[in-house]
Amino acid sequence: ELKVEQNPLFLSMQEGKNYTIYCNYSTTSDRLYWYRQDPGKSLESLFVLLSNGAVKQEGRLMASLDTKARLSTLHITAAVHDLSATYFCAVGETSGSRLTFGEGTQLTVNP
Amino acid sequence: NAGVMQNPRHLVRRRGQEARLRCSPMKGHSHVYWYRQLPEEGLKFMVYLQKENIIDESGMPKERFSAEFPKEGPSILRIQQVVRGDSAAYFCASSSLTSGSREQFFGPGTRLTVL
Repeated sequence: ELKVEQNPLFLSMQEGKNYTIYCNYSTTSDRLYWYRQDPGKSLESLFVLLSNGAVKQEGRLMASLDTKARLSTLHITAAVHDLSATYFCAVGETSGSRLTFGEGTQLTVNP
Repeated sequence: NAGVMQNPRHLVRRRGQEARLRCSPMKGHSHVYWYRQLPEEGLKFMVYLQKENIIDESGMPKERFSAEFPKEGPSILRIQQVVRGDSAAYFCASSSLTSGSREQFFGPGTRLTVL
């Protein structure tokens, strides 16, 4: 059974600082996704990572994938308050279509 | 191009009643997924459907829960005889048969409260 672990689960940081969220998964996968969720809202797609070594950047967020280590990272550069949200990684099973989600990282960026 | 649509957005039921949640996928998408999110938790897969077929229902409780995606109309997740533990946000997602990334796009969710 595929397991996905994120850390940290809670992250409080100051504006302007950098930090990294980690996503580990337990079995082989060929696709990993990062989503953002604001309180009471749906999931917004941030990144789709499909190959080993994939790196994607959008604004202050950068995501990478290492399929050999079964690890993805979401790096936050010079955080701003608007980035406060919960971030989920989700891993697709190679043999199927379901996604397995991590527990989420609740990010709070303080002025 | 409208996104994934779900209704109702909020649903309140008393214990023992039935809940029906509807999901219309994005135009051109033929795959529908249902996930459940309990408070302060991640999403948990429930069921994956294509038109008129249930492909994977391994995440759905064996009793009281059922799902369908008819040839015409939205996908429906049905919960019979609801209990307090069914209170959660239920999200539907859809994807395209031809998408290499198999990316799933999520609807706004239905927040079910069982009194």
